Amino acid sequence: AQSVSQHNHHVILSEAASLELGCNYSYGGTVNLFWYVQYPGQHLQLLLKYFSGDPLVKGIKGFEAEFIKSKFSFNLRKPSVQWSDTAEYFCAELNFGNEKLTFGTGTRLTIIP
Amino acid sequence: DGGITQSPKYLFRKEGQNVTLSCEQNLNHDAMYWYRQDPGQGLRLIYYSQIVNDFQKGDIAEGYSVSREKKESFPLTVTSAQKNPTAFYLCASKNVGEKLFFGSGTQLSVL
Repeated sequence: AQSVSQHNHHVILSEAASLELGCNYSYGGTVNLFWYVQYPGQHLQLLLKYFSGDPLVKGIKGFEAEFIKSKFSFNLRKPSVQWSDTAEYFCAELNFGNEKLTFGTGTRLTIIP
Repeated sequence: DGGITQSPKYLFRKEGQNVTLSCEQNLNHDAMYWYRQDPGQGLRLIYYSQIVNDFQKGDIAEGYSVSREKKESFPLTVTSAQKNPTAFYLCASKNVGEKLFFGSGTQLSVL
């Protein structure tokens, strides 16, 4: 079954630290991959997406993610986090064949000033 | 303005009652989705629909039903068989190759 795993449930970092959030997907066929962010009290926003081409994808607010097909991974990175990055982050996988879009359980990121 | 409208914003269900959550979009999107969001569990897919008059079960479809009689509408019924219905329900839609748009959600609570 299609599934997305985010193994980091809660990550706490100091400002200016580097960030990497793990995401593993399961579907072996053609997939589209996404990272969404949900700031406290707000709706989900798209950070970045991978459809095809360059496996290193750059998104908004300085975030990037790398698609590694051999590892079924799509980890989110940011070289230097800010207090305003405090939010919940969700990885998502779209099965290109049937448009089934599955989210991971999310990672809560807390940035300490 | 184009977008997705979910109603009501808050809904209360009595034991044994079926309730229906509305989702309407005017974005001309083919695919529509229903998710429930619970703390610590992320968004779990209930049902989705690629085209009108067709829909598929997601990962937690038990206790829910949907219909897709019109392209712009994808109502979700929470039946009495759903024993733990309290959650935040999100509707979303998209076209192939495009990003997902979310509604503002419905908070369902049990009386």
